[in-house]
Amino acid sequence: GAGVSQSPSNKVTEKGKDVELRCDPISGHTALYWYRQSLGQGLEFLIYFQGNSAPDKSGLPSDRFSAERTGGSVSTLTIQRTQQEDSAVYLCASSLGGSTTDTQYFGPGTRLTVL
Amino acid sequence: AQSVTQLDSQVPVFEEAPVELRCNYSSSVSVYLFWYVQYPNQGLQLLLKYLSGSTLVKGINGFEAEFNKSQTSFHLRKPSVHISDTAEYFCAGMDSNYQLIWGAGTKLIIKP
Repeated sequence: GAGVSQSPSNKVTEKGKDVELRCDPISGHTALYWYRQSLGQGLEFLIYFQGNSAPDKSGLPSDRFSAERTGGSVSTLTIQRTQQEDSAVYLCASSLGGSTTDTQYFGPGTRLTVL
Repeated sequence: AQSVTQLDSQVPVFEEAPVELRCNYSSSVSVYLFWYVQYPNQGLQLLLKYLSGSTLVKGINGFEAEFNKSQTSFHLRKPSVHISDTAEYFCAGMDSNYQLIWGAGTKLIIKP
């Protein structure tokens, strides 16, 4: 399909393990966002990539969280030494241009459960 | 603090009745405002956005929202809802770093 895809759709892990979440943005979209959605709460911004510029990491909650975007396309969000409070749905979105007023297109999310 | 507040976590309404989903933003949030919708088992999609110009913004599926600067509100309305409008609706604004900040969402429940 032509939309944003994320994998896995569900991930269950044990406390202390590392996890990697993947996002494939829409082809040609230069901007990519990661958000976290905890139960009963709105989306929380994590990180933003725009083209070849340095990413905006201002939303990452701790140094256990990191993300990279290879070749301006696929992105991986890594959470090291997972904690139970990391349990949430992790959403990826992409947009065509560099303005954050551009429409963001969202993937279906990865539901992370830390036991 | 920058915030977007959705006052209702759930709004039940009868089919074909009008609906209003409320959204207020703090004055420190920029006046770029958005409504996104998440249908069951689907990803978020943009419903409408206000960037500038007319304060009444029309979106997809018959929804509209009105930007009210004096009341710092951006309420979403539809004159007649359908069962297919069952979804969760999220209001968002832009912070000083040009990132979206989101309300907690409102679940629209359509009663037959």
